[in-house]
Amino acid sequence: DVKVTQSSRYLVKRTGEKVFLECVQDMDHENMFWYRQDPGLGLRLIYFSYDVKMKEKGDIPEGYSVSREKKERFSLILESASTNQTSMYLCASTPGDPRTTQYFGPGTRLLVL
Amino acid sequence: SQQGEEDPQALSIQEGENATMNCSYKTSINNLQWYRQNSGRGLVHLILIRSNEREKHSGRLRVTLDTSKKSSSLLITASRAADTASYFCATRPIPNDMRFGAGTRLTVKP
Repeated sequence: DVKVTQSSRYLVKRTGEKVFLECVQDMDHENMFWYRQDPGLGLRLIYFSYDVKMKEKGDIPEGYSVSREKKERFSLILESASTNQTSMYLCASTPGDPRTTQYFGPGTRLLVL
Repeated sequence: SQQGEEDPQALSIQEGENATMNCSYKTSINNLQWYRQNSGRGLVHLILIRSNEREKHSGRLRVTLDTSKKSSSLLITASRAADTASYFCATRPIPNDMRFGAGTRLTVKP
């Protein structure tokens, strides 16, 4: 079974702190994604990566950056956390074949005070 | 902007009834997928339909795709209380990208 893990299930940070969210997948998938999920807005794509050291902006990249130094790991970075970044963050991965499904991690619920 | 948009936003039915949810999208796609999310949980993949397919079945689920109208529908037959969840459609406009809609919140009353 494909496994996508995220470093934390719950996280509480203060405004202005630098926050790292880690995602690791164990199936050698090329593509990895970061979404945030907010009530009534569904999942919105922040960034995605289709290869090591490659990244593409999604719909809402402002205030975020990402890092993909190794194929299995995709990190989401909040350089200076703000209260409007309080949300559920979901990581996902998928093979390069466009006919395949996406596999999600359990999510990280981030609260910025 | 979001690629997929589900309709209705919320749906409440009695156990045993059928539930139909619709999804519209904006650009050409490789495939369209439906996911379920139970409250506070991660997303679970339900079914994938490719752009050259018109209908697909999986158990009590039936998905249709009309690429000329850029729309899809998910039908859950003989619904159960355990089907209560949020349902999302997701599209792959290009191979390495995937976008979701805001979801339909389905409540099945026993």
